[in-house]
Amino acid sequence: GAGVSQTPSNKVTEKGKYVELRCDPISGHTALYWYRQSLGQGPEFLIYFQGTGAADDSGLPNDRFFAVRPEGSVSTLKIQRTERGDSAVYLCASSLDGTFYGYTFGSGTRLTVV
Amino acid sequence: SQQGEEDPQALSIQEGENATMNCSYKTSINNLQWYRQNSGRGLVHLILIRSNEREKHSGRLRVTLDTSKKSSSLLITASRAADTASYFCAGGTGTASKLTFGTGTRLQVTL
Repeated sequence: GAGVSQTPSNKVTEKGKYVELRCDPISGHTALYWYRQSLGQGPEFLIYFQGTGAADDSGLPNDRFFAVRPEGSVSTLKIQRTERGDSAVYLCASSLDGTFYGYTFGSGTRLTVV
Repeated sequence: SQQGEEDPQALSIQEGENATMNCSYKTSINNLQWYRQNSGRGLVHLILIRSNEREKHSGRLRVTLDTSKKSSSLLITASRAADTASYFCAGGTGTASKLTFGTGTRLQVTL
């Protein structure tokens, strides 16, 4: 596609529920990144995929967070047993080949846990 | 964790004035980027400066980088109301190309 697409744009869920956030990167971009941005803060790195594999998941806060990219394009960020502290904007970015060329962010998914 | 601090946290100026934002970072980087964010959503890339560069220009934007002080500045000249947004610096490292963002500066440009 023309840009990085994230769905849904907004998600409200109850504490303890499971959620999935989707990212559709720019066609042909092999690298995909997830970031989380809490209110009033800068984005924080969560995980980086090169192709289908997670090359760096050092930013995932705990084992309730998991992400997949089974075919090397669309990625899904999965959060189990959501907590109120998970409320944030989740941003996805992709780049052409794992460098900074064409590094492009999506508009994000605003997750609210009530 | 955040890369570092941005200064000021908030800046209010009148249209036509220049806006300067500063960023300090903590770890070694191979490039530093500036992003703009409207309404807390999508980030728009503004400019990238490599660690071996000291200054870079793009339109009304001027970025400087001082690796000895681990600091960068973004200057927006002749500001416009449409420049109202949050601005973030982000340090890039070669490995994995992940970005480590600063805390951001909220810029308000009034008519």
